[in-house]
Amino acid sequence: GENVEQHPSTLSVQEGDSAVIKCTYSDSASNYFPWYKQELGKRPQLIIDIRSNVGEKKDQRIAVTLNKTAKHFSLHITETQPEDSAVYFCAPLLPAGNMLTFGGGTRLMVKP
Amino acid sequence: DVKVTQSSRYLVKRTGEKVFLECVQDMDHENMFWYRQDPGLGLRLIYFSYDVKMKEKGDIPEGYSVSREKKERFSLILESASTNQTSMYLCASSSGQKNQPQHFGDGTRLSIL
Repeated sequence: GENVEQHPSTLSVQEGDSAVIKCTYSDSASNYFPWYKQELGKRPQLIIDIRSNVGEKKDQRIAVTLNKTAKHFSLHITETQPEDSAVYFCAPLLPAGNMLTFGGGTRLMVKP
Repeated sequence: DVKVTQSSRYLVKRTGEKVFLECVQDMDHENMFWYRQDPGLGLRLIYFSYDVKMKEKGDIPEGYSVSREKKERFSLILESASTNQTSMYLCASSSGQKNQPQHFGDGTRLSIL
């Protein structure tokens, strides 16, 4: 199966700073790479995803970069705001079975 | 917008009871999933289904079963609830096409006393 690791497990930044969360995976067959945000007491929600034919994707203040050779992808949040405080999960997809394997999560705290 | 609805937000049951958690999606998705989420352990896949009457074991199927009699509904069953099944349970669905995201319900916080 897929081994997925996220780093760091917790991240504290000042409002306005940037935050970067890295996800490493083991299965080179993975070809879809989403990031989910889960606010306290709420459902995980997809915030950005990237497919293996693209190296970077941006959506306003968030971006995802993919390095398939090294088998890692990263979430970048710029100009962080208190409402970005949440737990973020990476979840690379194994094509056989259409299954996501979730990383352990990163708790991001943005201090005003 | 995809809507995944779980029948209960909070549920309290007793040890040994048979417990049913229901999940319904309105997007005609082929794939449906059940996860449990525990502090420090992230989301772990219990069972999933690709189609009506199809089911596959995930990473932690012991003590659980599932039922998918209709495409829009996927039920998780705790045959004889135990205290170590106290957890948050999340249902998700996705399209059967390649490389599609999963959409989650609000979750059911289940307590087994």
